[in-house]
Amino acid sequence: DQQVKQNSPSLSVQEGRISILNCDYTNSMFDYFLWYKKYPAEGPTFLISISSIKDKNEDGRFTVFLNKSAKHLSLHIVPSQPGDSAVYFCAASGKYGGATNKLIFGTGTLLAVQP
Amino acid sequence: GAGVSQSPSNKVTEKGKDVELRCDPISGHTALYWYRQSLGQGLEFLIYFQGNSAPDKSGLPSDRFSAERTGGSVSTLTIQRTQQEDSAVYLCASSLDFRGELFFGEGSRLTVL
Repeated sequence: DQQVKQNSPSLSVQEGRISILNCDYTNSMFDYFLWYKKYPAEGPTFLISISSIKDKNEDGRFTVFLNKSAKHLSLHIVPSQPGDSAVYFCAASGKYGGATNKLIFGTGTLLAVQP
Repeated sequence: GAGVSQSPSNKVTEKGKDVELRCDPISGHTALYWYRQSLGQGLEFLIYFQGNSAPDKSGLPSDRFSAERTGGSVSTLTIQRTQQEDSAVYLCASSLDFRGELFFGEGSRLTVL
């Protein structure tokens, strides 16, 4: 049962253009969403997050959009740079009535930015 | 160091042997997570420790897997009687609290022959 889905395993864009990575979730209890970036042989690193009380959060070249009615979020990177080439993981968490609040990750999208 | 430290970075073992993977979280972080990434798969949640609360073990795939966290700091993930399907990168992460950003280690790559 995949609660967080990234349906595109890979994406290729030209340097300077916009990269759009998509993520869908099924659990309506999720109220906090994050994007992590992973280079080969390294652990994932936090990129940007959004709470369910917002529909947009921007940090430099990175913007995350949340559509709660569609249970969909997306990460926009503009302009894309070759150094952005990595695997991007979407993650979600929610209040389950207790202190535990584990992050559920998607399967990742490999972004390749072509010079 | 200032980051999450995991050891060993690589482990090759024979089917049926037990393995232990260690995680040193960032000092002061109360939450500690174990995930694993199998080839071509996403990050699969295994277990979560938060302060003195009972750990959330809901992601452990079988009773061959166990984890403990001593003194609220170092954690050890133990896999007994390893199977080939246990081969994966095991990632540890810590956060300041249950809502904090997760900081990941570089992972321990386990290969079961």
